[in-house]
Amino acid sequence: ETGVTQTPRHLVMGMTNKKSLKCEQHLGHNAMYWYKQSAKKPLELMFVYNFKEQTENNSVPSRFSPECPNSSHLFLHLHTLQPEDSALYLCASSQGAGEPFFGPGTRLTVL
Amino acid sequence: QKEVEQNSGPLSVPEGAIASLNCTYSDRGSQSFFWYRQYSGKSPELIMFIYSNGDKEDGRFTAQLNKASQYVSLLIRDSQPSDSATYLCAVNDGYSSASKIIFGSGTRLSIRP
Repeated sequence: ETGVTQTPRHLVMGMTNKKSLKCEQHLGHNAMYWYKQSAKKPLELMFVYNFKEQTENNSVPSRFSPECPNSSHLFLHLHTLQPEDSALYLCASSQGAGEPFFGPGTRLTVL
Repeated sequence: QKEVEQNSGPLSVPEGAIASLNCTYSDRGSQSFFWYRQYSGKSPELIMFIYSNGDKEDGRFTAQLNKASQYVSLLIRDSQPSDSATYLCAVNDGYSSASKIIFGSGTRLSIRP
């Protein structure tokens, strides 16, 4: 595997479900990110991790819970989501303050 | 609140012509500037970055930065149908050990044959 990988690529869940998104980077980067991309809205930065420590939480609702066990892996745990949370969730990694490299994304639909 | 502004388009350009994409940003302390290309249903792909005032060329792409005017642009020469995509401008302060990049909403570019 190379670059940044994300699983699953597509996810449909009900509002009462609990699911997790997984991201893995194979670039040796120290920083990892979660972004949300909704239709016709700019990419929204959700969380930033630097050397597996959270450095940024952009007022994200608690129904989104990130986990970063090491610099290569990042999870986003989802529970009791709302239909408006349906979006493309993108994971990215970077070396320091350099440009983020994005994974392919998870297309999430909340019914 | 830090903002990055782009014209949403669509910008329609004939094949072979120059496409010009523009972006303004609000944070005068911004240090790093990026252009990403995003095809429909795909994730953003970095195509250019620029840190200093002036022009930076890479193949058919030229990024231009004017920090005094808080303006960054992307020129695409000899436009091809494969250049049809949404182009995202992104800006960060460059000081953080991890990036806090702010993205514009993107400009949709359409290259007509």
